[in-house]
Amino acid sequence: DQQVKQNSPSLSVQEGRISILNCDYTNSMFDYFLWYKKYPAEGPTFLISISSIKDKNEDGRFTVFLNKSAKHLSLHIVPSQPGDSAVYFCAASAQGAQKLVFGQGTRLTINP
Amino acid sequence: DVKVTQSSRYLVKRTGEKVFLECVQDMDHENMFWYRQDPGLGLRLIYFSYDVKMKEKGDIPEGYSVSREKKERFSLILESASTNQTSMYLCASSLGLPFEVYGYTFGSGTRLTVV
Repeated sequence: DQQVKQNSPSLSVQEGRISILNCDYTNSMFDYFLWYKKYPAEGPTFLISISSIKDKNEDGRFTVFLNKSAKHLSLHIVPSQPGDSAVYFCAASAQGAQKLVFGQGTRLTINP
Repeated sequence: DVKVTQSSRYLVKRTGEKVFLECVQDMDHENMFWYRQDPGLGLRLIYFSYDVKMKEKGDIPEGYSVSREKKERFSLILESASTNQTSMYLCASSLGLPFEVYGYTFGSGTRLTVV
């Protein structure tokens, strides 16, 4: 049972435009959400996070939006750059749990 | 910076072999995790550990065991390797909660091929 779902396996975006990566979850006990970025032959690295008490968090070109009623979050990258080409994983954690549940990942390709 | 080191980047093993994947972290983290990454399935938790000699099953523990004799080292053991265990294995460590302060730090991964 996939509790965190990223339904788009891949996304292709023109350099300079906005990239929007989506993530849905089913467990209403999740209260903290993170995005990780992974390059080939490297481990995932933390990108940005959001607590369930917020609906938006920004860090430079990256913004995460949370819609709790829809159990949906999205990552916006503006403007997209070639170095953003990577696999992006959405992850979630339930209150008090010390482990993360990850989605399937979305491969983002930024075209020059 | 915290460093999580996985001993091998690439491994090729034969079906039925006992396989050891080693992971070492250098920042005195309490929690350590083993995930595997497969296309279309994302990262799935195999086992995790909150403390020395302590282990908890994750979502897909079948065919695996773990060992944590020292705080800095967390080993994943494939008791009898099978071809369906061909995968990318990722080790991670964390100081604990809250995640907004103490997230996961991942190693670079071990690409295991079982033939």
